[in-house]
Amino acid sequence: DTGVSQNPRHKITKRGQNVTFRCDPISEHNRLYWYRQTLGQGPEFLTYFQNEAQLEKSRLLSDRFSAERPKGSFSTLEIQRTEQGDSAMYLCASSLLQGYPPDYNEQFFGPGTRLTVL
Amino acid sequence: GQNIDQPTEMTATEGAIVQINCTYQTSGFNGLFWYQQHAGEAPTFLSYNVLDGLEEKGRFSSFLSRSKGYSYLLLKELQMKDSASYLCAVRADDSGGYQKVTFGTGTKLQVIP
Repeated sequence: DTGVSQNPRHKITKRGQNVTFRCDPISEHNRLYWYRQTLGQGPEFLTYFQNEAQLEKSRLLSDRFSAERPKGSFSTLEIQRTEQGDSAMYLCASSLLQGYPPDYNEQFFGPGTRLTVL
Repeated sequence: GQNIDQPTEMTATEGAIVQINCTYQTSGFNGLFWYQQHAGEAPTFLSYNVLDGLEEKGRFSSFLSRSKGYSYLLLKELQMKDSASYLCAVRADDSGGYQKVTFGTGTKLQVIP
């Protein structure tokens, strides 16, 4: 399977604990995105990378959230001191941005990691 | 910032045609996507429009009017499996000159026999 993969698929944790999620994008894709989605809502942008550079981080993202993409391949999203409001589906997507000016770049989504904070 | 509006829910009959509208307000517009999302699953790509007009792909078509900030997704010959949420997403250049994709809240479509 050469699609976007995410691990774990489900995570249950107690309030105050730290959690880390991993995303492996489609291998040749240079852009990687993290979204958060709650029931009945569309995906909410968190941050994105072009290769290893983090280009933008949502203002909605508190300092408890951090993301890395150290070698421009897989990425990790860490949430420190989790709160019940962090319970959501965390989606990762990747795309191939090429050409100048940048052309159409469809995002391919992974299956998501569902976080439940008790 | 960006503002994207689409109806929350719609119901249509199997075999019929349904049109899902999306209006948006943004600066630096650079394309509009439609995604399908079944309950509990990740979104999957349906269409992309950057120029005005209609793009047809099988039973699905997508229309864009940049001057009106308006798009619609047209689904023909509805099937029960088309019951899903349909997400409108706008790509725009942000203040740093980078591209950002913002999703609407989605339209939950229910297809009934």
